[in-house]
Amino acid sequence: AQKVTQAQTEISVVEKEDVTLDCVYETRDTTYYLFWYKQPPSGELVFLIRRNSFDEQNEISGRYSWNFQKSTSSFNFTITASQVVDSAVYFCALMFNYGGATNKLIFGTGTLLAVQP
Amino acid sequence: EAGVAQSPRYKIIEKRQSVAFWCNPISGHATLYWYQQILGQGPKLLIQFQNNGVVDDSQLPKDRFSAERLKGVDSTLKIQPAKLEDSAVYLCASSPRPGPSTGELFFGEGSRLTVL
Repeated sequence: AQKVTQAQTEISVVEKEDVTLDCVYETRDTTYYLFWYKQPPSGELVFLIRRNSFDEQNEISGRYSWNFQKSTSSFNFTITASQVVDSAVYFCALMFNYGGATNKLIFGTGTLLAVQP
Repeated sequence: EAGVAQSPRYKIIEKRQSVAFWCNPISGHATLYWYQQILGQGPKLLIQFQNNGVVDDSQLPKDRFSAERLKGVDSTLKIQPAKLEDSAVYLCASSPRPGPSTGELFFGEGSRLTVL
């Protein structure tokens, strides 16, 4: 089965706290891609990061960092020193080959992050 | 660069009525997607086009939903007749090519449908 699980439905933190959003995935493919998207109240999905299944290097971009561990099928996202502007729903997503040249992107159920001032 | 444009942003209809949503992808993007996002859930792919051909519509309820992309540019998603459970945000996305090598899908702001 191809599946993405985000067990945390809602997280509330106070500004400047660090917060980690969990993502666990299931796939039978050896080649796949993992994504994180941010959905602010305005509704559009904003791309944050993409990782392929052969690259387990952790990545840092400013206050954002991602930890990819194939051994636990996890792709967690950490925001350091959170800010009110980080408040949004965050989605983890998995892209896999659906047959031929077709790839399919499936999403988890999302984690609502509320950063209080 | 202009983003993915969608209209209308909001639509309220009664069950059994019909509705159509329009999407104009980013210029030059060959792949277009329609996703359905029900409140509290992640987006679910309804249909994927490569130019004007359908490459995946396995989760499209074809008895009531239809979509077309006649000239390989903009697209229309239609629901007829609508049911209460169709209340959702309909997201359109585009990418230059199918697959992950593009890096990401670019999403529009969505069209929120309420069926009463």
